[in-house]
Amino acid sequence: AAGVIQSPRHLIKEKRETATLKCYPIPRHDTVYWYQQGPGQDPQFLISFYEKMQSDKGSIPDRFSAQQFSDYHSELNMSSLELGDSALYFCASSPAPRETQYFGPGTRLLVL
Amino acid sequence: DAKTTQPPSMDCAEGRAANLPCNHSTISGNEYVYWYRQIHSQGPQYIIHGLKNNETNEMASLIITEDRKSSTLILPHATLRDTAVYYCIVRVAGGTSYGKLTFGQGTILTVHP
Repeated sequence: AAGVIQSPRHLIKEKRETATLKCYPIPRHDTVYWYQQGPGQDPQFLISFYEKMQSDKGSIPDRFSAQQFSDYHSELNMSSLELGDSALYFCASSPAPRETQYFGPGTRLLVL
Repeated sequence: DAKTTQPPSMDCAEGRAANLPCNHSTISGNEYVYWYRQIHSQGPQYIIHGLKNNETNEMASLIITEDRKSSTLILPHATLRDTAVYYCIVRVAGGTSYGKLTFGQGTILTVHP
């Protein structure tokens, strides 16, 4: 069965640079969620989209923005990167809001 | 969303059943109990969920008490590959929430040979 695809899988950036993470949901899933997991921490919800509209917002820094496109893929844009942004970033998708979420393999971001 | 409490760690012998408890005493009537697991920095993997009734799938069984204040995830025959962090999450089923998951501490399950 098709799963959530995230790219890139690994990313190394310098402080103050920008990064773009991409998420391709499972086919026919219209809801996308982003989570951040710092070293030794549990995943934390960042933001979600339903039908290309932002549906919920968590503890996402103002330096981050995200959107969902017409083909339902989503991109998380991160600017002015800080050392503390080093983390695993997971995308999850569900066939509709409040349905079961299925996670991608994650993008490991390292900020130097 | 209701808060959950899980033991920080548990051990299990390979081939035996692993029973992972979760307390969610403040759960509301419209909140589901979800279980996910995370194997060493991989994406969280969905296991099972339920509202009131016990549930079973190919991975596990979920037993929810009648008052819904606690539940137990059962892995019937644990293998070494079941070593992971197991998260019990209570999630609202409707209303204005769009279903974000709030991960708590989780239980580190270690399966021994």
